[in-house]
Amino acid sequence: GAGVSQSPSNKVTEKGKDVELRCDPISGHTALYWYRQRLGQGLEFLIYFQGNSAPDKSGLPSDRFSAERTGESVSTLTIQRTQQEDSAVYLCASSLESGNQPQHFGDGTRLSIL
Amino acid sequence: RKEVEQDPGPFNVPEGATVAFNCTYSNSASQSFFWYRQDCRKEPKLLMSVYSSGNEDGRFTAQLNRASQYISLLIRDSKLSDSATYLCVVIYNQGGKLIFGQGTELSVKP
Repeated sequence: GAGVSQSPSNKVTEKGKDVELRCDPISGHTALYWYRQRLGQGLEFLIYFQGNSAPDKSGLPSDRFSAERTGESVSTLTIQRTQQEDSAVYLCASSLESGNQPQHFGDGTRLSIL
Repeated sequence: RKEVEQDPGPFNVPEGATVAFNCTYSNSASQSFFWYRQDCRKEPKLLMSVYSSGNEDGRFTAQLNRASQYISLLIRDSKLSDSATYLCVVIYNQGGKLIFGQGTELSVKP
């Protein structure tokens, strides 16, 4: 498809387990961003990738969170030893380049930690 | 102080009404400004960019006042389908990460 694709769309897991979330950006988009949105709250920036530059990890809430991106394609966000407060919708966005370009969002992964 | 602040909601208006949303941002180095729309339990979608000269897209008008660090969105002749949360969004560094306001909920009633 032409849009940002995220998988899985829903994930339910037990506290303490690791989870991996996937994002396929729009083809040709060099910048990729991860955000988190807790229920009833605004969006929080987590991390962004631009080409081969070092990622901006300033929004990652703890060292349990990490993300990787291969070139200018797929990205995975990994949460280790999940906690209940990790329950949220995790949104991925991509844009043509970092800076002032508008970002286009995927449908998100709804993560629920039991 | 939050980096991006919006009017508290919800706004409940009748169809056909004109409604205005306001937003202030704290970082004077902010570079780009957008309004996004988010429907319940859906991802944010770009509504429009905001330019210093002001810009209009159909029933929607966005304005930016850099001196006052203030952004606005005006919706004329509101429709039921306009019901959503409207997010004020700012970019203020080279990286381009979006800083979101908390959003203002709009409910348009028949």
